[in-house]
Formats: sequence, C-alpha cells, structure tokens
Amino acid sequence: RKEVEQDPGPFNVPEGATVAFNCTYSNSASQSFFWYRQDCRKEPKLLMSVYSSGNEDGRFTAQLNRASQYISLLIRDSKLSDSATYLCVVNTGFQKLVFGTGTRLLVSP
Amino acid sequence: NAGVTQTPKFQVLKTGQSMTLQCAQDMNHEYMSWYRQDPGMGLRLIHYSVGAGITDQGEVPNGYNVSRSTTEDFPLRLLSAAPSQTSVYFCASRRTGVSNYGYTFGSGTRLTVV
Repeated sequence: RKEVEQDPGPFNVPEGATVAFNCTYSNSASQSFFWYRQDCRKEPKLLMSVYSSGNEDGRFTAQLNRASQYISLLIRDSKLSDSATYLCVVNTGFQKLVFGTGTRLLVSP
Repeated sequence: NAGVTQTPKFQVLKTGQSMTLQCAQDMNHEYMSWYRQDPGMGLRLIHYSVGAGITDQGEVPNGYNVSRSTTEDFPLRLLSAAPSQTSVYFCASRRTGVSNYGYTFGSGTRLTVV
C-alpha cells in the first residue's frame, strides 16, 4: 500500500463547478499535511497547509480527518487557471515529505 | 528574492559519467532536500539536510551524494550515471519552526542518461 494515495483523475469539470479531491495516508504518526499544485513541466508550488480544524483560502478549502487518515481539497467556482495536478503531501516526521502521485484537474470553458 | 535556484535546467549524460546538480537558496532556510520525480511515482526523497554540515539519506539515496558546507548551497552529485537516474530533480528548502511551513521548490533539472 502506498503511504499517500490519490485518485489520479483526470477530473474534467466546467468553469464555475465545485470539485473535491480526497487523499488517504497510512502513517498515523504523520505530523503535517499540505496540498501542492503542479503545472505541466513545472515545479510543485504550495497551495495550502491543512489543519485539523479545516482551513480556507479564497475558493479553496482543505480538511483533515486524522481518525480516518484522509485529507480533502475543495475548489469552488473553478477557473480555467485551476487546471493542474494537485499533490497531496504528508510530513511523516523529521523533514520527510511523502508525496501522492497527484490528481489531475482539467477545467473547460 | 530569487528563492531556490537550480542549475542546469537540462542535462544529457552518458552512462558512467559523473556530474553535480547545483541548488542554492537565498532565504536563509535551514532545511533543504532533493527529490526526483518519475512518471506515476510521485516525488521521492533522495537526501536532505537540516543545516550546514548535517545531511541524511532519504528514500532513494543510492547513486547520489550530497554535502552542505553552507546554509545557501546543497549540491547533489551523481557518482556514475545510470539510465535509471533519468528523471526530473527538484531541490526544495524551508525555514525552521513549526512543521506546517511548506517547502519552496526550485524549477527542476531534467536529466537524461543515455
């Protein structure tokens, strides 16, 4: 079993739609959680950290469920520019980030 | 700020050649890491450093060496390149403190070993 698992997609949605991604992790001792965005042939860029209480940044909302060991990302009012691959990332301790393989999102006009 | 700078952006090596991938950051970050990204596998940690003079192995360290003589620089050395090392390499850094600080990545080095 992979340490961090994501649905690879692609998720095809029209502009304005709401889309949600989930991610599960296997290490119950994991300390911190992130969503990164990666555009084609570019480096990953931090989208947001994920907190147990849930957090929101504009159109993006992240949730963490430690009991079930999953993380979610909700994107509201999707834009064409949201098209990218979204990486779920877990810090399993002492600077060791484990990356999911990513979920690809395609937003169409 | 330049952030995290990686050089070169592209490189082709012959099997058995050695080379150094350069990584420099100007944010005074203590933590630095090297990852490789292969299709369908996600990013995997090669080596990391928590400060000058301190390095440790990640998930896939074989065939690579690192050193950290300064806070700013964290070069990755390929000792004897193999086709299996064809990949995209990313360097990343972050500041010390709470673990919720995310890493900043460089733009990557695309390496092909023939």
